[in-house]
Amino acid sequence: NAGVMQNPRHLVRRRGQEARLRCSPMKGHSHVYWYRQLPEEGLKFMVYLQKENIIDESGMPKERFSAEFPKEGPSILRIQQVVRGDSAAYFCASSPDSSNQPQHFGDGTRLSIL
Amino acid sequence: SQQGEEDPQALSIQEGENATMNCSYKTSINNLQWYRQNSGRGLVHLILIRSNEREKHSGRLRVTLDTSKKSSSLLITASRAADTASYFCATRHNAGNMLTFGGGTRLMVKP
Repeated sequence: NAGVMQNPRHLVRRRGQEARLRCSPMKGHSHVYWYRQLPEEGLKFMVYLQKENIIDESGMPKERFSAEFPKEGPSILRIQQVVRGDSAAYFCASSPDSSNQPQHFGDGTRLSIL
Repeated sequence: SQQGEEDPQALSIQEGENATMNCSYKTSINNLQWYRQNSGRGLVHLILIRSNEREKHSGRLRVTLDTSKKSSSLLITASRAADTASYFCATRHNAGNMLTFGGGTRLMVKP
């Protein structure tokens, strides 16, 4: 069973460019979560999605950030017009349902803004 | 803020010793989970303890939960150099599905 797959592992962008981060959940998992981690800190929740639905985006900045989890294909976290402060590790997690199940994490995408 | 807090922030021990990490949180929870993160990698799930449970074991790991004090502890017995990592507690609150993470404890086990 493949785990949560994220790509790319590393992404370098210049200020003003767009960043697209992809996440394929574990097989059988229909719930996807995105978190952001700054160096030496814990993870901060951004957004929670199910297929074709955003369930909770309370942790995601209102501007420049968007997320989707289409019927087919991976979940995408999109950051438009990136700024230096967007530099962080972005982790995706998935779970099979909304009950008392652990979330399984990918290895993250490390985004660096030049 | 619902941010949990771990202590200590950093812990250095000798191989074979036990390591204890503590976590506190602020609001009522559905469950509490402990994760390990090796440098540059994602989080690996260790143990999930539900709000109606008080203690749970998994191999060399022992987790306790005291909901009256809003705290949890993770004990790693007979530590190994391979246990060197950052350990995070994360709480799932009744109001949502997301996890709220603490700042982590950085454990170093010296061979």
